[in-house]
Order: sequence, then structure tokens, then C-alpha cells
Amino acid sequence: DIQMTQSPSSLSASVGDRVTITCRAGQSISTYLNWYQQKPGKAPKLLIYAASSLQSGVPSRFSGSGSGTDFTLTISSLLPEDFATYYCQQSYIPPPTFGQGTKVEIK
Amino acid sequence: QLVESGGGLVQPGGSLRLSCAASGFTSSSYVMTWVRQAPGKGLEWVSTITASGASTYYADSVKGRFTISRDNSKNTLYLQMNSLRAEDSAIYYCAKRFTSNLDTFDVWGQGTMVTVSS
Repeated sequence: DIQMTQSPSSLSASVGDRVTITCRAGQSISTYLNWYQQKPGKAPKLLIYAASSLQSGVPSRFSGSGSGTDFTLTISSLLPEDFATYYCQQSYIPPPTFGQGTKVEIK
Repeated sequence: QLVESGGGLVQPGGSLRLSCAASGFTSSSYVMTWVRQAPGKGLEWVSTITASGASTYYADSVKGRFTISRDNSKNTLYLQMNSLRAEDSAIYYCAKRFTSNLDTFDVWGQGTMVTVSS
């Protein structure tokens, strides 16, 4: 199985901050990388697919980049509703595997 | 949307059957998946079934104990869980695949909690 490693595991940020989360794959996965947002008590929500494609309805302050083994999720200007846990997930080779998550907390 | 049901408290070695009812789209056209999340932990893929139900796939951790199935006439997905273990305790989500050939999940249910404990 392909291992996915996110960093940091958690971060504290303020409203208006630019936030970047990194995801590294254990082998090259081209751009078969998705990002999800999960709020407490809720199901995950697809934000970004194919590394950089914004899912319909997701605000443009979210963006993704990367290819091969290194990927980033960027929130350009953090809003209160963005405090959540973010997961990366590879869809290159079954089984799909997720990163351990990055919790974005209020500073 | 997707709505799961069937979770609950079960003793080790017991069985449960989870259901996932789809509405607002024809689930028979899509590959469907179960993903679980242990309390305070990350997401773990459990099982996938093709649109027709002809092919099924399982995580090694549940292979031989869990069975995924679907009834397309009822727009419903199932997960039969047997020989349950404490480590199976988790919220179980059903999810729809975004495209036919990639494990990208664009619609998720709200989850159903399974607790395996004596």
C-alpha cells in the first residue's frame, strides 16, 4: 500500500492567515491526489481532486499543487469556517490510502 | 445524499449489517465504497463494490469477515460485518466514487457508529 504522510500534524493559525499543508507519497502518484476537509462530527468533504482541481462549490481560497510525491494544500486567507482537519488521499493505486490528517486550530 | 444505518453496540465475535440508502442520484451507476474512522483517528478504506455488484474489493484487515453488497433496485448499499473485533470499532461512512475508474469520493453519508465491546 502507498503510504501518505502529512505535515504538520497540527497547526495554529489566525483568521486571515495563509496556511499551507504538505502531503508526501511513499512513491510517485503522478497527480492522483485528493484533499478532504472534515469538521468535528461531520463526514469528510472533497475539496480538491487530481492535485489541483477545485471541487464544485468549494471556495477559491482553497488551492492544491504538486505532482509525483510532494503535494500542498493552500488556504489563501483563513476564515473561521476553515478550522477543521484536512486529509490527503491517493487514488493512483488501490487500495486508496489517506494521510494521518492535519488539524488546523485557532490561534 | 447518502444515509447510513445499522450501527450499534455488539459483542466481540458478533455481527452487524450496515445499510446506506442513496437518494437524489441513481447509485446503480456508480462504484460505491465504505470508509471507516476509529475514534480520534484517521480515515481507512474498507471495501469497494462496482456499479453492477459483480466485483468487490476489501482491505486486508476485514477480508474474510466483511461482505459488501448492493441492491440497485432499492438504491441501497450494504456491509455485512461478521466476527467483529474491538479494532473494528469506528464510524463507518459510505461514499460514492466521483468517476468510474478513480478512488475519489465526492458524496459521503453522515456515518454510523459501530462499537465492539463486551
